Amino acid sequence: GDSVTQMEGPVTLSEEAFLTINCTYTATGYPSLFWYVQYPGEGLQLLLKATKADDKGSNKGFEATYRKETTSFHLEKGSVQVSDSAVYFCALSIGPTGNQFYFGTGTSLTVIP
Amino acid sequence: NAGVTQTPKFRVLKTGQSMTLLCAQDMNHEYMYWYRQDPGMGLRLIHYSVGEGTTAKGEVPDGYNVSRLKKQNFLLGLESAAPSQTSVYFCASRKTGGDGYTFGSGTRLTVV
Repeated sequence: GDSVTQMEGPVTLSEEAFLTINCTYTATGYPSLFWYVQYPGEGLQLLLKATKADDKGSNKGFEATYRKETTSFHLEKGSVQVSDSAVYFCALSIGPTGNQFYFGTGTSLTVIP
Repeated sequence: NAGVTQTPKFRVLKTGQSMTLLCAQDMNHEYMYWYRQDPGMGLRLIHYSVGEGTTAKGEVPDGYNVSRLKKQNFLLGLESAAPSQTSVYFCASRKTGGDGYTFGSGTRLTVV
């Protein structure tokens, strides 16, 4: 079935380090792919998205490229800040109305000064 | 600000008690969802609605009921709470043809 697998956490980085959070997916059709971020005590917020192969989503210095050949959507940021500390969720939507939505288990990121 | 509002934010129930969680959105979104979030398990879909007056089961519907009497509101009910329902509950909505969800800030429920 359709699913998302993302790297286990927690991840701890020093400020200004490079970040990669891996995400791979399994889908029977052509999904849209998303990264959501959840700050402590808050709901999930859409960080970026890509709707077709080779699209690159970007926001707040984060990027992810929809790679159909490797069924991946890895999240990257060149220089993390303490304020990026949060839980990051990879997700996909699929189906004629996009109503089937699948989330990964989340990756906790802590950035230390 | 427009968005998804969940009430209450926190609640403690005794086993066997009932309660209703309210989700309200003011974005005229057609689709609404209830998820629960548990450590190490990500988000799991409980129930969802594709429009006013319609509801459908998600991945983990047992022990919950929902209603969508008005387009802007989506209620989640627990008829007889169990400790296994201790979780953080998130409501989300999405517009027709839209890709992403808008989430509420969550309800932390503890059943003792």
